[in-house]
Amino acid sequence: EVQLVESGGGLVRPGGSLRLACAASGFSFNTYTMTWFRQAPGKGLQWVSSISRSSSDINYADSVKGRFTISRDNAINSLYLQMNSLRAEDTAVYYCARRVPTKGIDYWGLGTLVTVSS
Amino acid sequence: DIQMTQSPSSLSASVGDRVTITCQASQDISTFLNWFQQKPGKAPKLLIYDASKLETGVPSRFSGSGSGTYFTFTITSLQPEDIATYYCQQHYILYNFGQGTKLEIK
Repeated sequence: EVQLVESGGGLVRPGGSLRLACAASGFSFNTYTMTWFRQAPGKGLQWVSSISRSSSDINYADSVKGRFTISRDNAINSLYLQMNSLRAEDTAVYYCARRVPTKGIDYWGLGTLVTVSS
Repeated sequence: DIQMTQSPSSLSASVGDRVTITCQASQDISTFLNWFQQKPGKAPKLLIYDASKLETGVPSRFSGSGSGTYFTFTITSLQPEDIATYYCQQHYILYNFGQGTKLEIK
């Protein structure tokens, strides 16, 4: 069974940093592109960043470029999102998700809440 | 950036009704279009991929159609458990979502 479990969310002050992690199981993690999405409270879904299987191809949304860094460790089936210079507008539930070439995004994790507030 | 325009933003219907949601892309995305269902406090769930293909395990009352820039999502006979917010998503170039359609029971 495919499982994606995010962790690392919490309350952080504006300008602070946080590192999210996503533990994957139930599939061959190193053969899939992985993605982070987010959803602000009461709002819609937004793509944040994607990383290819070998980390050779990385993309970011303009709103996080230069502040967030996506990475992965295929040896331990883990995906990461380093978030620096956090702003109030980064407050959201952050989801990791798997991309399948034939379907696009299929599985999502349960999400982890990041709250940026003083 | 590819813009996705989804309508309506909210919809109230009765059990057994046929419900249709539309999604328009700002450029041709072929059939790189998915539909997700999200219930409160839960992660999105894939229902339809490739514009019209039903994800494994999803009831056949859900369907999708379209290609290019115009897409539709239909529930043929609304059930109480279908209460959720529905999103279209393009994955032709990266990812963009429609604004969502909140579906309620009348």
